[in-house]
Amino acid sequence: GQQLNQSPQSMFIQEGEDVSMNCTSSSIFNTWLWYKQEPGEGPVLLIALYKAGELTSNGRLTAQFGITRKDSFLNISASIPSDVGIYFCAGTNTGNQFYFGTGTSLTVIP
Amino acid sequence: NAGVTQTPKFQVLKTGQSMTLQCAQDMNHNSMYWYRQDPGMGLRLIYYSASEGTTDKGEVPNGYNVSRLNKREFSLRLESAAPSQTSVYFCASRRGSQTDTQYFGPGTRLTVL
Repeated sequence: GQQLNQSPQSMFIQEGEDVSMNCTSSSIFNTWLWYKQEPGEGPVLLIALYKAGELTSNGRLTAQFGITRKDSFLNISASIPSDVGIYFCAGTNTGNQFYFGTGTSLTVIP
Repeated sequence: NAGVTQTPKFQVLKTGQSMTLQCAQDMNHNSMYWYRQDPGMGLRLIYYSASEGTTDKGEVPNGYNVSRLNKREFSLRLESAAPSQTSVYFCASRRGSQTDTQYFGPGTRLTVL
């Protein structure tokens, strides 16, 4: 299957700091997605990207669809304690087969 | 409006036992999905149903069967559970077009001894 590698695996940051994480794939996708998962719950969609080079924001979150279509990036500005969770990237070409990354665990220290 | 519901929340099975995980959505979505999530890994697609009456294999279908009972319900069956099937199982649904969001249920934590 498709391999999506996320980095870093985990991050421990101070409240107020900015966060960057990325996701790379062995194949191209025409849609990239970023999800957040909190303990005991299913993932929740944060941002969806549909075009190479696209930059999309959702509040303090900004994500980019890489030009090569094999990568994507997520930035969180001015982190707050409720940003804690695991962030997953996902890619799809068909809209039905979704491939998820391995996740970045974010801890925000107040 | 409950969204996506899954039952049971927790289950312990012995090797060789069978069970069915239930999923229902009340959003009138066309597409439904079953994923498994293992520690340190992302979600992997087991089966999906693009519309009522159709099912297709995902990335890791071996050892599982599914039934799209009607538009609302999509069940996942383990006929003979194995320890390798210990995982957290998530159901998701989506209206059906390329740009629609997937909505996930809360998950079923399954342990096979």
